[in-house]
Amino acid sequence: GAGVSQSPSNKVTEKGKDVELRCDPISGHTALYWYRQRLGQGLEFLIYFQGNSAPDKSGLPSDRFSAERTGESVSTLTIQRTQQEDSAVYLCASSPRTGYNSPLHFGNGTRLTVT
Amino acid sequence: GNSVTQMEGPVTLSEEAFLTINCTYTATGYPSLFWYVQYPGEGLQLLLKATKADDKGSNKGFEATYRKETTSFHLEKGSVQVSDSAVYFCALSDRDTGFQKLVFGTGTRLLVSP
Repeated sequence: GAGVSQSPSNKVTEKGKDVELRCDPISGHTALYWYRQRLGQGLEFLIYFQGNSAPDKSGLPSDRFSAERTGESVSTLTIQRTQQEDSAVYLCASSPRTGYNSPLHFGNGTRLTVT
Repeated sequence: GNSVTQMEGPVTLSEEAFLTINCTYTATGYPSLFWYVQYPGEGLQLLLKATKADDKGSNKGFEATYRKETTSFHLEKGSVQVSDSAVYFCALSDRDTGFQKLVFGTGTRLLVSP
């Protein structure tokens, strides 16, 4: 079946512009996560959605970052007034259920370059 | 806070060689431990996991044992293949959090030559 789909696969933007990244999770997956990976670093947790519950935003690095998800469908991650340090690969993952043992299914990521 | 440290790569091996990729962790609680793999052009996927001390996770010929005394979860394979070339990520999750707020290492690239 279809996996997690992210778009765009690559995005180059100028410093100060806003960008929106999209994630289509696997159908029926209730949990959705955003991570990012900056060059030479491990993946950093950003935000977690579970159904209609309030999201866990504890990993968002600043108030320029926000994310939305309606129910168990598509999620968008928005970065306002982008900075060069926002350059990274942004990864989305979904999971069929919550809990620390639930497997995560990752998309191929969006590579964001801020010039 | 929780953290994961992996050996730096790339690790370059010939086909049929023995593989070890070291991973150590720091955690305040009793984490679950994972290895994820990213093949070229694909998303990360779960390779194996272990949820408590002395558990051994295994998949596709890879193994890793949860060692609480040494806070390690080293990945091993007895005979690597060219198709194993990928980036391997060690990760942990804190069960107290209630969900998979995974903490990842930086990844180790494995290159296997024929």
